Amino acid sequence: IQMTQSPSSLSASVGDRVTITCRASQGIRNELAWYQQKPGSAPNLLIFGASTLQSGVPSRFSGSGSGTDFTLTISSLQPEDFATYYCQNYNSAPQISFGQGTRLEIK
Amino acid sequence: QVQLVESGGGVVHPERSLRLSCVASGFTFNKHGIHWVRQAPGKGLEWVAVIWYDGIYKYYGDSVKGRFTISRDNSKNAVYLQMDSLTTDDTATYYCARDRRASYAEAIDFWGQGTLVIVSS
Repeated sequence: IQMTQSPSSLSASVGDRVTITCRASQGIRNELAWYQQKPGSAPNLLIFGASTLQSGVPSRFSGSGSGTDFTLTISSLQPEDFATYYCQNYNSAPQISFGQGTRLEIK
Repeated sequence: QVQLVESGGGVVHPERSLRLSCVASGFTFNKHGIHWVRQAPGKGLEWVAVIWYDGIYKYYGDSVKGRFTISRDNSKNAVYLQMDSLTTDDTATYYCARDRRASYAEAIDFWGQGTLVIVSS
C-alpha cells in the first residue's frame, strides 16, 4: 500500500490553521498514524486510529479520515510545531509503511 | 519512563556485516512488538523490520529481506538487528521503536534516539 502526502512542503505563520493530507493507494479503514519529527530527533507519535490523540499531545492537533483519505490539522500553529510530519499505514500489518513526509516551515 | 537505547552503529565497508542492539527499560518488554525503522540522511522514514512480543514472528521490508535478521532476548530486554551484505543504500540512522501492540503492528509510541550506520569503502 502506497501512502502519498501532500503537500511535500508548506510555509505558514504562527497562528495559522494548517492541514496536511495523506492518501492511501487502497482502503486502510482507520489504521493510520501521524508523527512529528524535528531535526536531529526521533519521530513523535501524535495520532493513531486516524483520529485518536496520543497522550500528552496538545489538543490543537487533530486527525480525521477513513478509507483512503486522511488529514492532520493544526488549529493554531505554534513556534514549536515547525517540523516534518509523516503519516503511517498499519492496515497492511505486520508490515507498515510511511508517507514521504511534509515539511512545515515558517513563512 | 520508557527508554530505548540503540548501539552498534558505525562505519562499515560494503558487503560486510554489522549488528545493532537496542536495550529497553521502563515498561514490560514482553508485551510489545519492536520495530527497526531507518532514515537515510535528509530522507524520510523507512520501515525495516518488526518482531512480535514472543520473538517467534518476524517480518521485513522488501529492501532488507534476506539480508537482515531481527531477534530479541526478553530476559535481557533487548532487540537486535543483524545486517549482512551491506550496501551504500543501507546508510542511515536506525531507530529502535516500540509498537503499541504485542503482535501484528500498529502505531509506534516510543522511539530510541537512533544509531548511525555508514556503509562506505
